[in-house]
Amino acid sequence: DAGVIQSPRHEVTEMGQEVTLRCKPISGHDYLFWYRQTMMRGLELLIYFNNNVPIDDSGMPEDRFSAKMPNASFSTLKIQPSEPRDSAVYFCASSFHPGRNEQYFGPGTRLTVT
Amino acid sequence: QKEVEQNSGPLSVPEGAIASLNCTYSDRGSQSFFWYRQYSGKSPELIMFIYSNGDKEDGRFTAQLNKASQYVSLLIRDSQPSDSATYLCAVLVGSARQLTFGSGTQLTVLP
Repeated sequence: DAGVIQSPRHEVTEMGQEVTLRCKPISGHDYLFWYRQTMMRGLELLIYFNNNVPIDDSGMPEDRFSAKMPNASFSTLKIQPSEPRDSAVYFCASSFHPGRNEQYFGPGTRLTVT
Repeated sequence: QKEVEQNSGPLSVPEGAIASLNCTYSDRGSQSFFWYRQYSGKSPELIMFIYSNGDKEDGRFTAQLNKASQYVSLLIRDSQPSDSATYLCAVLVGSARQLTFGSGTQLTVLP
């Protein structure tokens, strides 16, 4: 089975530009999570969805960040406008409920904002 | 106090030795516990999960959970240089689905 798929793998953009990160969860998984990882702050949860509905977005740093999940096989994380401090690796992960809590991560998108 | 704490390391062990990684957590409502391995420049990879007190073995890996003492550990037997990575402890609290991660322990296995 294919794992979690993310695109692009690398993104370099200038400050002020819009950035869209994409994720395809593992087929059949009903939870999708967006994380950000930096050296200073480690791995942080930004937002997660259950059955395409956002459940907790308390980790989203500010209004410049938004996430959507229009269907069970696709999610986007958008940053508009981007800032240098948004530079990080963004991971998408998915899991299947009920009874199974294991999360499986995608390869990540390395974002650099100059 | 951080919710999930790990020794940041680095931890170095010789090849063939047992590597012991420890993690403590603050919320007694924590129910599920996970160990992820992350190679440099790669994504976290789930290697073990444990839900009940006691030991769980999978190949060279053993996860140990003690809810009364609020710690979970990972033992890696017959350590190999390929085990050199950062190991992340993660905890699921209550009915929420989100994991809380520790800051990770960097392990180096010396040939």
